[in-house]
Amino acid sequence: GAVVSQHPSWVICKSGTSVKIECRSLDFQATTMFWYRQFPKQSLMLMATSNEGSKATYEQGVEKDKFLINHASLTLSTLTVTSAHPEDSSFYICSARARDRESNYGYTFGSGTRLTVV
Amino acid sequence: GQQVMQIPQYQHVQEGEDFTTYCNSSTTLSNIQWYKQRPGGHPVFLIQLVKSGEVKKQKRLTFQFGEAKKNSSLHITATQTTDVGTYFCAGGAGGYNKLIFGAGTRLAVHP
Repeated sequence: GAVVSQHPSWVICKSGTSVKIECRSLDFQATTMFWYRQFPKQSLMLMATSNEGSKATYEQGVEKDKFLINHASLTLSTLTVTSAHPEDSSFYICSARARDRESNYGYTFGSGTRLTVV
Repeated sequence: GQQVMQIPQYQHVQEGEDFTTYCNSSTTLSNIQWYKQRPGGHPVFLIQLVKSGEVKKQKRLTFQFGEAKKNSSLHITATQTTDVGTYFCAGGAGGYNKLIFGAGTRLAVHP
């Protein structure tokens, strides 16, 4: 089945630095990828929809300049958390929908990135 | 905005008992999907329901989609310890078929 590779799995960074998270679709082309954030024991909150070759669509309340999304190819989307602060610490996870056909088998999620800002 | 509500938030059962989680959407959905997330893991797709009134089964799991395509349920018969995890429903709606997740139901199964 479809596989989405996400890395790093975890990262610890200092306040004020930027962190880049990558998501790759390994065996299919993903015109659209979704980025979620999940706090402990809570649900997944959609942050933005990443579209290949165009600007990402952000959900209400998500800062575009804070969470930079780039979807430069059909197999790679990146999320950069800029000038990270401790409140940005969270579990970030991407998912992708296969290209050219209805996704009758659901969306495939990456394994997630646990970000800790100290 | 669109919301997907899911209950209960948490459920303890004895192994062998049944379990059900329910989802309701504030608007009509194009489809509903169910995911399972084990502690420390990522969501894993279980199933997608598209048709009004649809019922699908996977071994001990039964999924239903309401006639109005606004609610759904997941029922597990005779739970096992391997069923432990958080079950999320996710409604498909809006552009690019983005998913709106319910809050999830955390299932604990006692042997």
